[in-house]
Amino acid sequence: KQEVTQIPAALSVPEGENLVLNCSFTDSAIYNLQWFRQDPGKGLTSLLLIQSSQREQTSGRLNASLDKSSGRSTLYIAASQPGDSATYLCAVRPLLAAGNKLTFGGGTRVLVKP
Amino acid sequence: EAQVTQNPRYLITVTGKKLTVTCSQNMNHEYMSWYRQDPGLGLRQIYYSMNVEVTDKGDVPEGYKVSRKEKRNFPLILESPSPNQTSLYFCASSLYGGLFQETQYFGPGTRLLVL
Repeated sequence: KQEVTQIPAALSVPEGENLVLNCSFTDSAIYNLQWFRQDPGKGLTSLLLIQSSQREQTSGRLNASLDKSSGRSTLYIAASQPGDSATYLCAVRPLLAAGNKLTFGGGTRVLVKP
Repeated sequence: EAQVTQNPRYLITVTGKKLTVTCSQNMNHEYMSWYRQDPGLGLRQIYYSMNVEVTDKGDVPEGYKVSRKEKRNFPLILESPSPNQTSLYFCASSLYGGLFQETQYFGPGTRLLVL
């Protein structure tokens, strides 16, 4: 059974520092891995989707890497801003999952202090 | 604006009183699903639907029902709510059922408290 873990559960950094968020998964048979941002009262917003054949994906200040063989992904956020404060969720779509089912990690709550 | 909407956003009810949480998407997506989010357990899938009249169980379907009579709507029904169904509920949709590398769009969430 696929399990997704995110450590640490919470993180606090001063503004301007780079953020490094970790995600690990137990089964390397995945179709893709996605990073989401969760803001209170606003649901989840997709940030990046990395296909299983890709090593990384970039969007603006965000860069996500994927090492499928070791079951790890890392989300880098460059030059953090207070507006980056949110909970970040990692989710994998198992290769044999029915439909577009995602298995989520518990999330990392990020606070960027001005 | 492309979006997934849920109603109500907050709900307090009592044990046994039937309720429905509505979900609607305006993107002509075929795939829709429901998740619940609980502290320490993350998001878990309740039910999903590949298209109109096609639904199936997720990981935690007990105590829930769904229907998909129209493509845009996917209501979640709690016939006899119990306190262990107190949770934050999310509806999600994607263009197809994962046939391609598709991201999912999530609604804003419905916070349910069952007394």
